Amino acid sequence: RKEVEQDPGPFNVPEGATVAFNCTYSNSASQSFFWYRQDCRKEPKLLMSVYSSGNEDGRFTAQLNRASQYISLLIRDSKLSDSATYLCVVNVKAAGNKLTFGGGTRVLVKP
Amino acid sequence: DAMVIQNPRYQVTQFGKPVTLSCSQTLNHNVMYWYQQKSSQAPKLLFHYYDKDFNNEADTPDNFQSRRPNTSFCFLDIRSPGLGDAAMYLCATSSGNNQPQHFGDGTRLSIL
Repeated sequence: RKEVEQDPGPFNVPEGATVAFNCTYSNSASQSFFWYRQDCRKEPKLLMSVYSSGNEDGRFTAQLNRASQYISLLIRDSKLSDSATYLCVVNVKAAGNKLTFGGGTRVLVKP
Repeated sequence: DAMVIQNPRYQVTQFGKPVTLSCSQTLNHNVMYWYQQKSSQAPKLLFHYYDKDFNNEADTPDNFQSRRPNTSFCFLDIRSPGLGDAAMYLCATSSGNNQPQHFGDGTRLSIL
């Protein structure tokens, strides 16, 4: 089983709609969680950190469910510019400074 | 302003010809990382430095070496590139445990 798993998609989303997807992690000692966005042939960019109580940044909402070991990302009022691959990233305390990346979920927002 | 800078953006080298990729940062972060990313795959960690402390991943080929002469700079040396080494190479930095990583624009390496 992979340490961090994501549905690769693509999620085809009408412009203006809401889309949500999850990421599961296998190590219960995971302690830090992030969502990164990666455009085609570009570098990953930090979208948001994920906090235990859940957090929101504009149209983006992240949730953490420690009991079921998953995090989620919800995008409201999708824009064409939201089309990208969203990478789930996890830090395990024992791994020190290393992060583990999921394979990414591809989102395509269409007019 | 770019905070993690990679040069060059595109690099073409010949099969077997050594190549060096560079990364610099203005964030004064302790930790610097090198990743390899191939199409439709997650970034794969090659190695990282915590200050001058080098940490190699177990499955990183010996063909890949790294140097960090000071806090700001880190280099990736590929001693004898093979066709399978064609990829995007990403440099990242962080301030330590539990912190997010900040990536440079990457260097796309092609092997002829």
